[in-house]
Amino acid sequence: DTEVTQTPKHLVMGMTNKKSLKCEQHMGHRAMYWYKQKAKKPPELMFVYSYEKLSINESVPSRFSPECPNSSLLNLHLHALQPEDSALYLCASSQDAPNSRSPLHFGNGTRLTVT
Amino acid sequence: AQSVAQPEDQVNVAEGNPLTVKCTYSVSGNPYLFWYVQYPNRGLQFLLKYITGDNLVKGSYGFEAEFNKSQTSFHLKKPSALVSDSALYFCAVRDSGGYNKLIFGAGTRLAVHP
Repeated sequence: DTEVTQTPKHLVMGMTNKKSLKCEQHMGHRAMYWYKQKAKKPPELMFVYSYEKLSINESVPSRFSPECPNSSLLNLHLHALQPEDSALYLCASSQDAPNSRSPLHFGNGTRLTVT
Repeated sequence: AQSVAQPEDQVNVAEGNPLTVKCTYSVSGNPYLFWYVQYPNRGLQFLLKYITGDNLVKGSYGFEAEFNKSQTSFHLKKPSALVSDSALYFCAVRDSGGYNKLIFGAGTRLAVHP
């Protein structure tokens, strides 16, 4: 079982909806990440939080808005998404700074479908 | 710029035979190298990493990988494949100098046949 928990597992939303994805880890990790993964493709980095501060935004459209309420929680707020945003959204954490030697620990993802 | 290549989209192996999943990389400094496995409808699972030291790295589930600096390779190996090893495998690299994000290869699908 993964130590990074993501909810919900599946989400279907219309293009006018607002929804949020949630991620939680209790490993004491200080870096947290959002990735987007299309079928049979590698994960694409979206955002990185380091010590609860946003450190990397990979030019992600503003319809995706990340939030890190505390060191254990990471949210991704979704608004006015497009059908092409349908994908598996993965949360990950690592022990310390993003450029460290630490491996990433991934959650099982949220399968998002935008209709 | 850093990059990683997995030259095979799919690798087919008979159960009980040895398996190799290939990975080559390009970085300007020293590499941090990782292997991850992804089962259907799951996230990526860390298998092993090379940071420094011994070129042969042992990881989870009997997997190992050999770092070869001259060939800039980090191939994943297992002496005896199991049907349950069938999954999508990703190699990833990060340049140790400065901040560089983790770069994933395109992935290799491993199919182990009974």
